[in-house]
Amino acid sequence: DTGVSQDPRHKITKRGQNVTFRCDPISEHNRLYWYRQTLGQGPEFLTYFQNEAQLEKSRLLSDRFSAERPKGSFSTLEIQRTEQGDSAMYLCASTFGGGGPDTQYFGPGTRLTVL
Amino acid sequence: AQTVTQSQPEMSVQEAETVTLSCTYDTSESDYYLFWYKQPPSRQMILVIRQEAYKQQNATENRFSVNFQKAAKSFSLKISDSQLGDAAMYFCAYMGYGQNFVFGPGTRLSVLP
Repeated sequence: DTGVSQDPRHKITKRGQNVTFRCDPISEHNRLYWYRQTLGQGPEFLTYFQNEAQLEKSRLLSDRFSAERPKGSFSTLEIQRTEQGDSAMYLCASTFGGGGPDTQYFGPGTRLTVL
Repeated sequence: AQTVTQSQPEMSVQEAETVTLSCTYDTSESDYYLFWYKQPPSRQMILVIRQEAYKQQNATENRFSVNFQKAAKSFSLKISDSQLGDAAMYFCAYMGYGQNFVFGPGTRLSVLP
């Protein structure tokens, strides 16, 4: 399968712990996006990369959140000192950015529960 | 900033019937894309249909079609011959040249046998 993959699919952690999620985009896609989705809501944009460069970050991305895409392939999203409000589904999407808007292909998400 | 509104939190349709999901958006851009995504329970989001704003012709994909009214900033999704597998959350999304999606809050569609 050559779709977007995310790992882990589920993560349960205690408040104050650090967690890291991984996203592997579709191989030829140069743009990678992270979104957060809470129950019953639409996804909210967090950040996006073009190749290895992080080009935009939402104000939702507090300083406890950091994302990387070191070689322009997979990406990681780390949350430090987790809070109960961080409980959500974290979605990754990728696209081949040739210029303007284009369809994004989503992964299955990582569901984070902070106790 | 762009916003997307879906005024129907929940909809239901009888199997084999037709249903229309509403979406309105606000933008000052003239060129953008609009999308409908489907998210089945506990499954990943998949693209249903997309519309480029510069195209006057409404997009269609098999049983799915849109009614795009650019001046009214309206983008509704029509599902014909509804099937049980169509039951899901449906999200309307906007993408301009700012590169990130803006999603609506979603409409939960139930299909009744």
